[in-house]
Amino acid sequence: SQTIHQWPATLVQPVGSPLSLECTVEGTSNPNLYWYRQAAGRGLQLLFYSVGIGQISSEVPQNLSASRPQDRQFILSSKKLLLSDSGFYLCAWSRGGQGAGANVLTFGAGSRLTVL
Amino acid sequence: EDQVTQSPEALRLQEGESSSLNCSYTVSGLRGLFWYRQDPGKGPEFLFTLYSAGEEKEKERLKATLTKKESFLHITAPKPEDSATYLCAVLETDKLIFGTGTRLQVFP
Repeated sequence: SQTIHQWPATLVQPVGSPLSLECTVEGTSNPNLYWYRQAAGRGLQLLFYSVGIGQISSEVPQNLSASRPQDRQFILSSKKLLLSDSGFYLCAWSRGGQGAGANVLTFGAGSRLTVL
Repeated sequence: EDQVTQSPEALRLQEGESSSLNCSYTVSGLRGLFWYRQDPGKGPEFLFTLYSAGEEKEKERLKATLTKKESFLHITAPKPEDSATYLCAVLETDKLIFGTGTRLQVFP
């Protein structure tokens, strides 16, 4: 069965420090991978998605970036965090293609980021 | 602008008191509507996908329905363990657009 791992679960970082959140998926190959951010009172905001190694689409211009160095690994990074980067970050995967089950997202447990 | 609106924002029910959550959407080309359950501090968990008006899906005490403009999540005789935030999302072209959710609390 497929599983998704996301870490760290929580972190507190000072403004201006770098960020690296990591996500890995097991039990499937060539998944579509996603990074979402969830702020209080707002819906899930899609930040990045990837349909393959090295293929990253950015939905929101900001100081975050994403990389996919391996088929089942997705990394969210920042060189200098802002206060506004605080939030709950969720990694997710879906099966590509068409048909039943396509586009159904399976989420990781999330990473709570507090920027002080 | 494409939009997904969920109501109410919060709902408090007594155990056994049935109710419905609403998800209305304005997207130009709906390819699917998804319901998720999210417990505090955790990632959302998939519940249902609906693809066409008139379609219904059931799981235990939950039943999701879909019309051309909205979806309802009906909760029959809820229990305290049904307490969670329920999110809906619509698939428009190749992206999921999420609503802000309904926070459900069920009291014994």
